[in-house]
Amino acid sequence: QVKLEESGPRLVKPSQTLSLTCAVSGGSISSGDHYWSWIRQSPGKGLEWIGKIYYSGQTYSTPSLKSRVLMSVDTSKNQFSLKLHSVTAADTAVYYCAREGGDYDASGFYHYWGQGILVTVSS
Amino acid sequence: EIVLTQSPGTLSLSPGERATLSCRASQSVSSNYLAWYQQKPGQAPRLLITGASSRATGVPDRFRGSGSGTDFILTISRLEPEDFAVFYCQQYGSSPITFGQGTRLEIK
Repeated sequence: QVKLEESGPRLVKPSQTLSLTCAVSGGSISSGDHYWSWIRQSPGKGLEWIGKIYYSGQTYSTPSLKSRVLMSVDTSKNQFSLKLHSVTAADTAVYYCAREGGDYDASGFYHYWGQGILVTVSS
Repeated sequence: EIVLTQSPGTLSLSPGERATLSCRASQSVSSNYLAWYQQKPGQAPRLLITGASSRATGVPDRFRGSGSGTDFILTISRLEPEDFAVFYCQQYGSSPITFGQGTRLEIK
């Protein structure tokens, strides 16, 4: 059973950088079978796909956030990370990490999710 | 970018009734790569349907996905008390991945 767990600061000041890490257990990032993603949900709002990363470090990001997003992967620790630069109050959200695909399919749906971490941008 | 529009915004029904949720895409979803999720307060979304019509592991057969191209439907045949939640559609046929804005299914 794949498990994902987000960690990082829950309060970030405006204009600073939001940094989160997703620890993966029950599956290996370096297997290369799946992409690993970040998705966020502003309070009371819908889901927004941020981007995804492969074990090789190849990344894809949504155009509206691409200029501020940096994703990385650490296969030795079986974890991947998100940095979002120059944050504003609009970046306040629950941030989820998730694995693309199910147990037998690597397509871009999400069967496995972390529990989510609420990050608030405020001075 | 494909925009997904869900309707209605809120659906008020009673247990035992049938629910029909719609997801319309701004352009055709490649290979009908359309998923549905259920989300309850304080929880991560739960995958229900992939490929427009395939139920995910463990999803009861009262949940049925249908549709193709730009128009997709999630039907819940007989609502159980635990079914009331917010439902999202998601397309993964083209980048960037996008989600609909959600339909809230509430108890009448």
